[in-house]
Amino acid sequence: DTAVSQTPKYLVTQMGNDKSIKCEQNLGHDTMYWYKQDSKKFLKIMFSYNNKELIINETVPNRFSPKSPDKAHLNLHINSLELGDSAVYFCASSRTGVRQTGANVLTFGAGSRLTVL
Amino acid sequence: ELKVEQNPLFLSMQEGKNYTIYCNYSTTSDRLYWYRQDPGKSLESLFVLLSNGAVKQEGRLMASLDTKARLSTLHITAAVHDLSATYFCAVDIPSYSGAGSYQLTFGKGTKLSVIP
Repeated sequence: DTAVSQTPKYLVTQMGNDKSIKCEQNLGHDTMYWYKQDSKKFLKIMFSYNNKELIINETVPNRFSPKSPDKAHLNLHINSLELGDSAVYFCASSRTGVRQTGANVLTFGAGSRLTVL
Repeated sequence: ELKVEQNPLFLSMQEGKNYTIYCNYSTTSDRLYWYRQDPGKSLESLFVLLSNGAVKQEGRLMASLDTKARLSTLHITAAVHDLSATYFCAVDIPSYSGAGSYQLTFGKGTKLSVIP
């Protein structure tokens, strides 16, 4: 059973389209994240949700909108896609993003490679 | 703004050799993580370092943390081809936008190629 699963794995689309990426985790974790990895492999956090509540919202265009229907799911919707949105998007989860005790170890999904033409 | 800098960014080494990857960070933190990413794959947690002086070892890899110097190292002993991957360090710091929450900030990664 995959711990953090993302769909689709590959997404090729035209500029201006709207697309969504779905993420589900079966680890019972409280916090989920979206990271963007660009062509140079640089990983940057985009959003974080803790128990369905948005807790981190880094500087990303408002064309990106996360939605968390429950704590096991975090979806990413992107409007009006641009060439610069081409990247690999990783979903991740951790037991808690609010550090109390113990480490904040992230479990990553396999990634969704988005190509905008 | 937190900066996490790894060097080198690219490392080509022969099998059997030793080498060290360095991770410097610019703000106080006592929690540092190392991840491995194989080409086209996801990231896998390697080491969790939770205090000054922490040292962890797994096979040919050993990671250490010096919080006073804000430095972590990943030492590779007698490299083998299977270690070829990109290695990321990440630092756990308070989030800018979430009260009481923390987030991982990643370095740019070190792409390691081990040549037979």
